Amino acid sequence: EVQLLESGGGLVQPGGSLRLSCAASGFTFSNYAMTWVRQGPGMGLEWVSSIVASGGSTHDADSVKGRFTISRDNSKNTVYLQMDRLRAEDTAVYYCAREVSYYDDNGYVDHFDYWGQGTRVTVSS
Amino acid sequence: DIQMTQSPSSLSASVGDRVTITCRASQTINTYLNWYQQKPGKAPNLLIYTASNLQDGVPSRFSGSGSGTDFTLTISSLQPGDFATYYCQQIYSTPLTFGGGTKVEIK
Repeated sequence: EVQLLESGGGLVQPGGSLRLSCAASGFTFSNYAMTWVRQGPGMGLEWVSSIVASGGSTHDADSVKGRFTISRDNSKNTVYLQMDRLRAEDTAVYYCAREVSYYDDNGYVDHFDYWGQGTRVTVSS
Repeated sequence: DIQMTQSPSSLSASVGDRVTITCRASQTINTYLNWYQQKPGKAPNLLIYTASNLQDGVPSRFSGSGSGTDFTLTISSLQPGDFATYYCQQIYSTPLTFGGGTKVEIK
């Protein structure tokens, strides 16, 4: 059974840092890209960062570029989100998700098929 | 960035109703469009990928269609467990943007 378990959320002051972790199990972690998506209070979904299976390439939303860093340790089946210089607008539930991406006869396929339960980050003084 | 606009933002429907939700992209995205369902306090759940492909385990009353800029999610006969918020997502280019969501409520 695929499981994703986030941890590391909490209350932090503006300008502070947090590191989120997402521990994966039930699949070959090193074969899949991973993604972080967040949801502010009463808001919709916002893609944050993605990292390819090898860890050799990442993509970030402009809203977090230069402040957040996604990384992974395939030996520990874990993906991380290092969040620095946090702002009030970063307050959200942060979800990690497994990203399935491949080419088939009809073209490119890319979607998030499994999600963790989320970890809450509150940035406030 | 590609903007995704869903309509309506909310709707009220009864069990057994046919429900249609629309998603429009600000530029053509071929069929690079996914649909997710989210219930309160829970993580999103993938329903449809690449516009019309039903994810394993998702009931066949859910279907997706469209290409280019206009897409539709249809629930053929609304069931009690379908009352939730639905999001479209484009995967044509980064940033991978989501629509604003459509909340389906009980009439």
